[in-house]
Amino acid sequence: SAVISQKPSRDICQRGTSLTIQCQVDSQVTMMFWYRQQPGQSLTLIATANQGSEATYESGFVIDKFPISRPNLTFSTLTVSNMSPEDSSIYLCSHHRGDTEAFFGQGTRLTVV
Amino acid sequence: GENVEQHPSTLSVQEGDSAVIKCTYSDSASNYFPWYKQELGKGPQLIIDIRSNVGEKKDQRIAVTLNKTAKHFSLHITETQPEDSAVYFCAAVSGSARQLTFGSGTQLTVLP
Repeated sequence: SAVISQKPSRDICQRGTSLTIQCQVDSQVTMMFWYRQQPGQSLTLIATANQGSEATYESGFVIDKFPISRPNLTFSTLTVSNMSPEDSSIYLCSHHRGDTEAFFGQGTRLTVV
Repeated sequence: GENVEQHPSTLSVQEGDSAVIKCTYSDSASNYFPWYKQELGKGPQLIIDIRSNVGEKKDQRIAVTLNKTAKHFSLHITETQPEDSAVYFCAAVSGSARQLTFGSGTQLTVLP
């Protein structure tokens, strides 16, 4: 499977600011996925990012709040905009091998104060 | 859409004992069921998976069983070790969306 590097690994941000999380894969992958994991909770899919097209967002997530870029087949970014304490979570990127097996980055632990 | 329920939410076992975590799913079209282990400060790691055409799969101390009729699947860890302590997530992939739906997670603690 392709190795995923995600950064930053953690950050503490002021409310009202934005943070961009980067995800780098060491080989080309068609689809990349962004998840949110709230404290002590399971993973919730935010959006699916394909290269060359707009991301597809899941119910409850909007592009204005979580803009995503996918400039090429090895890289994606997720921005958490106008942050509030409720955005404090772990954010994870992933890709699939084949059409099912998912592999994850190490996550970005975000704390909004 | 798919709904995955996972039990128990916490599980403590003595080192050397077995641990069983159970999940149920709602979408009969789901055909792929992975299990992930998440250690503190890390992303989930795939540990074993099973497809709908198989009833059981083993990998050393880890096994997964699937009952398609009842729409439930289970993770079995034998001879548990302290390093097995982590949060375990089950998931299901439905045939149409090809998206993962995760269970709520089980915090497994192996007591030395």
